[in-house]
Amino acid sequence: EVQLLESGGGFIQPGGSLRLSCAASGFPFGTYDMSWVRQAPGKGLEWVSTISDSGGRTNYADSVKGRFTISRDNSMSTFFLQMNSLRAEDTAVYYCARGQDFQNPWGQGTLVTVSS
Amino acid sequence: DVVLTQSPLSLPVTLGQPASISCRSSQSLVYSDGNTYLNWFHQRPGQSPRRLIYRVSNRDSGVPDRFSGSGSGTDFTLKISRVEAEDVGVYYCMQNTQWPLTFGGGTKVEIK
Repeated sequence: EVQLLESGGGFIQPGGSLRLSCAASGFPFGTYDMSWVRQAPGKGLEWVSTISDSGGRTNYADSVKGRFTISRDNSMSTFFLQMNSLRAEDTAVYYCARGQDFQNPWGQGTLVTVSS
Repeated sequence: DVVLTQSPLSLPVTLGQPASISCRSSQSLVYSDGNTYLNWFHQRPGQSPRRLIYRVSNRDSGVPDRFSGSGSGTDFTLKISRVEAEDVGVYYCMQNTQWPLTFGGGTKVEIK
């Protein structure tokens, strides 16, 4: 059974940093691109970042470019989102998903709240 | 960036009746390999999103056959042949033809 489990969310002040993790199981992790998608409270879905299967290629939304870094550890079937210089507008539930096309199932999401 | 415009924003439907959601793209979503990477997602209140349809018209495993996707180029449609109570929530189209990946703004389906 495919499972994705996010962790690392929490409450952080503006300008702070957080590292999100997504632990994967039930599929050959090292053969899939992996993505982060977020949803601000009461808003729609927004793609954040995608990393290729090998980790050699990364893409970012303009809204996070230069502040967020996606990475992965295929030996641990886990990928990460390092979030620096956090802003209030980064407040959202962050979901991890398989592929560039966000295959099922998604993770349950982890809430990041940026506030003073 | 590709802008996806969904309509309507809100869709009150009667149980057992059909429903249709439109997704229009600001650019053609046909990729150089000939495929069109337009997907549909459903999010029930308080739940994670779930993909229903990939590459315009392919239903994901476990998705009821009352859901169907169609379209080409820049115009796409998600249809529900007979709405059931569990179909309430927000539907999103999304393209992964080109970077950055983008979602439509969402269509909220509710029961009349």
